Parts: sequence; C-alpha cells; structure tokens
Amino acid sequence: DAGVTQSPTHLIKTRGQQVTLRCSPKSGHDTVSWYQQALGQGPQFIFQYYEEEERQRGNFPDRFSGHQYPNYSSELNVNALLLGDSALYLCASSLPGVVVGYTFGSGTRLTVV
Amino acid sequence: GQQVMQIPQYQHVQEGEDFTTYCNSSTTLSNIQWYKQRPGGHPVFLIQLVKSGEVKKQKRLTFQFGEAKKNSSLHITATQTTDVGTYFCARPEYGNKLVFGAGTILRVKS
Repeated sequence: DAGVTQSPTHLIKTRGQQVTLRCSPKSGHDTVSWYQQALGQGPQFIFQYYEEEERQRGNFPDRFSGHQYPNYSSELNVNALLLGDSALYLCASSLPGVVVGYTFGSGTRLTVV
Repeated sequence: GQQVMQIPQYQHVQEGEDFTTYCNSSTTLSNIQWYKQRPGGHPVFLIQLVKSGEVKKQKRLTFQFGEAKKNSSLHITATQTTDVGTYFCARPEYGNKLVFGAGTILRVKS
C-alpha cells in the first residue's frame, strides 16, 4: 500500500480533449508533486503544490495546470491533449521542504488516441 | 537543471550474478537518492546518501556515494528474480524538486 491514492488508474482520451487526474497524499503529508513518466524514461517533474499554491514548476507548457485543496488533495489538469501526453502520471507526497523519500502513488496511465 | 546520467540503460543477468548501476553528475550533489520501480509499478524509495564516500547496505544491496559527491553506485550481490525492475537515482534541485535519472532496467534470468 503506497499511502498515496491516485484516480483513475487508467484513462483513454482523444486528442484535443481535457483530462483531470486526482491525488490524495499520504496521511501527514501536505506537499504534493506531480511527475510525468513516458515509457522507458525516468519521471519528469511537472509541478509541486504546497499550501494550495504552485511552488515550483518544471518545463511543461501551460496546458498543464493543477490545484491543491485545503485537505491537501490535488488535481492535475491537462488541456488540449496531444498524443505525446500519453504517459504514466505519478503523484508524490512529502512533508514541506523535505526532498527525500518521496512516497509515490500507483499512478494514472493516460493514453491519448 | 542538470540531470543525472545513469549507466547502463539495460542489463540482463543470470540469477545469482551480481549487478551494478552507476549514476553520474557533472556537478556536486548535496545528496543522492535511489528508487526502485517494479514492472507496472511506481517508484519506491530505497535510500539516501549524504556524506562523501558514504557506503550503506540493505541486505544484498550496497549503495556508495563518491568522494567528490558527483557519482554514486548501486550494487546487488547474487541477484534474485525479485530484484527485477528499473533502478533510478535522483538528485534534489533548487527548491523542493527531485530530478530523476533515466534509470537502469534489470532483468534476471532464472
């Protein structure tokens, strides 16, 4: 059990559509980071949320946006989906300022057709 | 930011053989972390190395941090089928961002 819950587990969308992925962090963790993992590659940092604000962002276009709720859960939204957005989307939770021992969720496998 | 380079990309070993993966950085690292991802799974934290020359062991796994804190290695003694997966090293970057290497895929023939 990862302690971090992500939904849905799998999703198929059509090019141009929009998608929302959800994450509930591990109990006691209030920082959520989102990663994109393309097939055969390492996870790539999308952004991080803490205190309901985006604290840091990776090299991803504005089509990728997020939100964090007061209960620390988080959403990742992707607009105008491209085929290249097909990937495993991972959510990692941690304590604020702690960049070690991330706890990852099982991920959402997004396929864009 | 600078990514960490991992070699090899892929290794296929006979069960019982040893396995080593290397992680290299062009800049000095404050710490290096290792994660394992089983096929179809998610990354799971293994260990963090902080001190120059540090060596840590977890059963058959030995982790090393280079003296210059620019490289690290993970060595598995007498591999088992349960060791199958992708091993990633990761470094913290400015702020609270963790940057992952591309990983080394380990396959074990029984």
